[in-house]
Amino acid sequence: NAGVTQTPKFRVLKTGQSMTLLCAQDMNHEYMYWYRQDPGMGLRLIHYSVGEGTTAKGEVPDGYNVSRLKKQNFLLGLESAAPSQTSVYFCASSPGGETQYFGPGTRLLVL
Amino acid sequence: KNEVEQSPQNLTAQEGEFITINCSYSVGISALHWLQQHPGGGIVSLFMLSSGKKKHGRLIATINIQEKHSSLHITASHPRDSAVYICAAGGGADGLTFGKGTHLIIQP
Repeated sequence: NAGVTQTPKFRVLKTGQSMTLLCAQDMNHEYMYWYRQDPGMGLRLIHYSVGEGTTAKGEVPDGYNVSRLKKQNFLLGLESAAPSQTSVYFCASSPGGETQYFGPGTRLLVL
Repeated sequence: KNEVEQSPQNLTAQEGEFITINCSYSVGISALHWLQQHPGGGIVSLFMLSSGKKKHGRLIATINIQEKHSSLHITASHPRDSAVYICAAGGGADGLTFGKGTHLIIQP
């Protein structure tokens, strides 16, 4: 089992560019989450999904969109990147309200 | 919105010392999580607890639901325990609310 994987590991964007971060899990988990981690802020929830075809907003959803077309994948999109979105992004999955399993993270730098 | 506070923010100790990290939260929860973030960035779940105490190796986590407080203890600390320890409250469908983490350094 690969667990939770994230693609890409690192990316540099210019302001206004778009990109999609991919999270994949092979544990058949229902719940998936996207978090961002910033210095001095701790991890914050961006969006989450409780099952295929469902998504919901978290604490800091502005500037991001998500999709969960397949149970194993959770995509995070940035339509028009801004420097404030420079961060480390973590995906996590959970069988349902229990222990969360985290991906290795994606470092994003927006210039 | 739940507020999660951790203390201390930074802790440096000598190998072998007993370590305690504290976590308090403002709103009643169903579960409290302790996570470890390695220097390379990866995050691993250590404990999820809703009452009492759990032990795994040299790590012990306790929670007092009435006082909305949890502690993580490390016995016989070792340099490989150096990491950021993160407390998180809640879970379930709407994710976790995280503390800012405790940076722990164990010196040989």
